[in-house]
Amino acid sequence: DAEITQSPRHKITETGRQVTLACHQTWNHNNMFWYRQDLGHGLRLIHYSYGVHDTNKGEVSDGYSVSRSNTEDLPLTLESAASSQTSVYFCASRGNQNEQFFGPGTRLTVL
Amino acid sequence: KNQVEQSPQSLIILEGKNCTLQCNYTVSPFSNLRWYKQDTGRGPVSLTIMTFSENTKSNGRYTATLDADTKQSSLHITASQLSDSASYICVVRAYNNNDMRFGAGTRLTVKP
Repeated sequence: DAEITQSPRHKITETGRQVTLACHQTWNHNNMFWYRQDLGHGLRLIHYSYGVHDTNKGEVSDGYSVSRSNTEDLPLTLESAASSQTSVYFCASRGNQNEQFFGPGTRLTVL
Repeated sequence: KNQVEQSPQSLIILEGKNCTLQCNYTVSPFSNLRWYKQDTGRGPVSLTIMTFSENTKSNGRYTATLDADTKQSSLHITASQLSDSASYICVVRAYNNNDMRFGAGTRLTVKP
């Protein structure tokens, strides 16, 4: 069955370190998204991509970057992790039916 | 101000009881509204999608309603089960772009 996976599921890092969160989907969807979820807030869009080599900034993109070298993967990089980036991160992909499928999430703690 | 507001923030009910969750939005122009269920430690999963012309849609014990004039939606859960304990998220999509706005969710706890 097609799916969307994220790794790692949990990550603890230190302030200032570079961190990369992986997202992989097997639906062959062109559209992929990264969100962060914090208590009291709805999911907020960080970056998104509509296809290979396409990347776009979302609502809360500062301090994050993405790259899209193939259809299946959209890794999210925190250039220099900050405590404010402690959050749960969700990757999602969307096909032609406009339904977004979410990954299981990555819980990131920045100490 | 968030363009999608959900109420209540949290709700506790007894197993077998019904409940209704509310979603008010200001997203415009409106394209569609989805309700997602998010179990603890998991990603959200779509329950229903409603477009402008739809007033009611059911998915098993879940029934969503939409009033596009007042920009309100509700999710009614009938005969609740312990497995209904989760966060329920309302997501509204604008018509002229791919922008999706997420509510903060309602945390539902069903107790035996």
